[in-house]
Amino acid sequence: NAGVMQNPRHLVRRRGQEARLRCSPMKGHSHVYWYRQLPEEGLKFMVYLQKENIIDESGMPKERFSAEFPKEGPSILRIQQVVRGDSAAYFCASYGQNQPGPGNNEQFFGPGTRLTVL
Amino acid sequence: AQSVAQPEDQVNVAEGNPLTVKCTYSVSGNPYLFWYVQYPNRGLQFLLKYITGDNLVKGSYGFEAEFNKSQTSFHLKKPSALVSDSALYFCAVRDGWSGGYQKVTFGIGTKLQVIP
Repeated sequence: NAGVMQNPRHLVRRRGQEARLRCSPMKGHSHVYWYRQLPEEGLKFMVYLQKENIIDESGMPKERFSAEFPKEGPSILRIQQVVRGDSAAYFCASYGQNQPGPGNNEQFFGPGTRLTVL
Repeated sequence: AQSVAQPEDQVNVAEGNPLTVKCTYSVSGNPYLFWYVQYPNRGLQFLLKYITGDNLVKGSYGFEAEFNKSQTSFHLKKPSALVSDSALYFCAVRDGWSGGYQKVTFGIGTKLQVIP
């Protein structure tokens, strides 16, 4: 069973460009979370999505950031007009509600995308 | 609102000694508690969880954690530390009564350094 996949693993953008981060959840998982990790701030929740629905975007900046999880394909976190402060590691996690076994509550994390804004 | 506190930025321990990484939480309902580990340049890996039942929970790599309701704590422990345990450890909490929406709050992480 393939784990959570994220690409690219590393992304370099210049100020003002767009960054697009992709996340494919574990097979059978329909819940996706995005987190941002900064060295001194730990792991910060950004957004929680189910297929075709944004459930909670309370951690997402109001401007320039958007997320989607279409019916087909990966979840996308989009950052428009990037600034240096957007440089961070972005992690995606998936969750399968009502999954059997020990994995029925914890989230499964991808390896992350490290965004560097020059 | 739920919250998690990890009071120590870093914990240093000699190899072979017992280790403890502290975590306290605040949640309105019954807590679901988790520990994750992050190795450099990797995503978080699940270690163990407390949902209900025995207060002492055993997890991966010889780690265990003790749920203490009166002290609202869920400290991570290991009887004998290994150098390979050196990593960043995150405690997390979810309100068990939040229904179908599983919002999990993470602590800021504690860096564990095991000294040879």
